[in-house]
Amino acid sequence: SQKIEQNSEALNIQEGKTATLTCNYTNYSPAYLQWYRQDPGRGPVFLLLIRENEKEKRKERLKVTFDTTLKQSLFHITASQPADSATYLCALLYNTDKLIFGTGTRLQVFP
Amino acid sequence: GAVVSQHPSWVICKSGTSVKIECRSLDFQATTMFWYRQFPKQSLMLMATSNEGSKATYEQGVEKDKFLINHASLTLSTLTVTSAHPEDSSFYICSAQGRGYEQYFGPGTRLTVT
Repeated sequence: SQKIEQNSEALNIQEGKTATLTCNYTNYSPAYLQWYRQDPGRGPVFLLLIRENEKEKRKERLKVTFDTTLKQSLFHITASQPADSATYLCALLYNTDKLIFGTGTRLQVFP
Repeated sequence: GAVVSQHPSWVICKSGTSVKIECRSLDFQATTMFWYRQFPKQSLMLMATSNEGSKATYEQGVEKDKFLINHASLTLSTLTVTSAHPEDSSFYICSAQGRGYEQYFGPGTRLTVT
């Protein structure tokens, strides 16, 4: 079965730096790969979607890359701010409607 | 943007009782909604896919007679936890699918069964 790996350890970075989060998966590549943000006690919030034939997608300070050879997606937040502190979830969508979520990586941006 | 609401946001009930959770898409019609469960420090686990006007599709290991799902309209899906037990205590989250395969999540419902 598909397995999604995100770094379970928290990522601590200083304000203004670029945060880079990793999502690795096994088996075959999904049609779509998505990134969500989740704050404690809240539902996830959709951030970005990238298709399997796309290499990179940007939205404001966010950038996502998708390497189907490495079976990996990288999620970057540039000029990070304390308000960016949250858990970031990687999710894969195949030829159905179902999303498969990773366990998420907690990002802590300190001043 | 697409907004999904859930009610209640938290509920405490006694073991053996039933609890209904509502999920509404406020500004768009959602043919497909999803119900997830999330335990502390774990990822979201899909419980079932809810399609308007038809029976829900449950994931393997999810008891359909215990978790009743009704998708009565394009803006409302309900999850009823029947005969709740302490092990059902969890964070239940619904989502509605957007046009571009993204999902819009509700704020979640914290269920505590005593």
